[in-house]
Amino acid sequence: DAGITQSPRHKVTETGTPVTLRCHQTENHRYMYWYRQDPGHGLRLIHYSYGVKDTDKGEVSDGYSVSRSKTEDFLLTLESATSSQTSVYFCAITGQGAFEQYFGPGTRLTVT
Amino acid sequence: TQLLEQSPQFLSIQEGENLTVYCNSSSVFSSLQWYRQEPGEGPVLLVTVVTGGEVKKLKRLTFQFGDARKDSSLHITAAQPGDTGLYLCAGARGDGFQKLVFGTGTRLLVSP
Repeated sequence: DAGITQSPRHKVTETGTPVTLRCHQTENHRYMYWYRQDPGHGLRLIHYSYGVKDTDKGEVSDGYSVSRSKTEDFLLTLESATSSQTSVYFCAITGQGAFEQYFGPGTRLTVT
Repeated sequence: TQLLEQSPQFLSIQEGENLTVYCNSSSVFSSLQWYRQEPGEGPVLLVTVVTGGEVKKLKRLTFQFGDARKDSSLHITAAQPGDTGLYLCAGARGDGFQKLVFGTGTRLLVSP
């Protein structure tokens, strides 16, 4: 199994509060990704990183920001959570030159 | 914009039956992956197909990549309850950023 952990695994927060989700990998892989999974939409890419301090937007990036100060950590921040951001969030990694992605266990976020 | 359409969306069958899941697109992909996801967990990679017309077998699962690299199918022979899960296809567009586009998924339930 790829060494990917996510924290927290579950979180309930109120509308308007900031939330940060953490993804940690022990594989030293260059590429890291944040997805959200919602019924009827499958997995949608929020942001991705191709190296330390190198990040870019995915297809559903509005309302989200990311940071990557170390190879092993990729943080996803909701500056002011909204109910539409209630979802399951997955982090993934992939190695250089490979397209296969390996996923973390997910974080279930509920915004009330 | 959802570029990969999966069908059927839901399939409920009895143990021992055969089934096929389809993944279709109007776009060409450099490679295509199939994942299986169980409740409360992240997707797990099953297979990657790269060459048009390629067929790969994984025990009772047979994966095929279309000749034009726009579509793929997953065939399961003699399904077992352990095959139950959400099956996701994902295409790589080969744009150099190693991003995947995921299908909406097929939820399979195999009853004893």
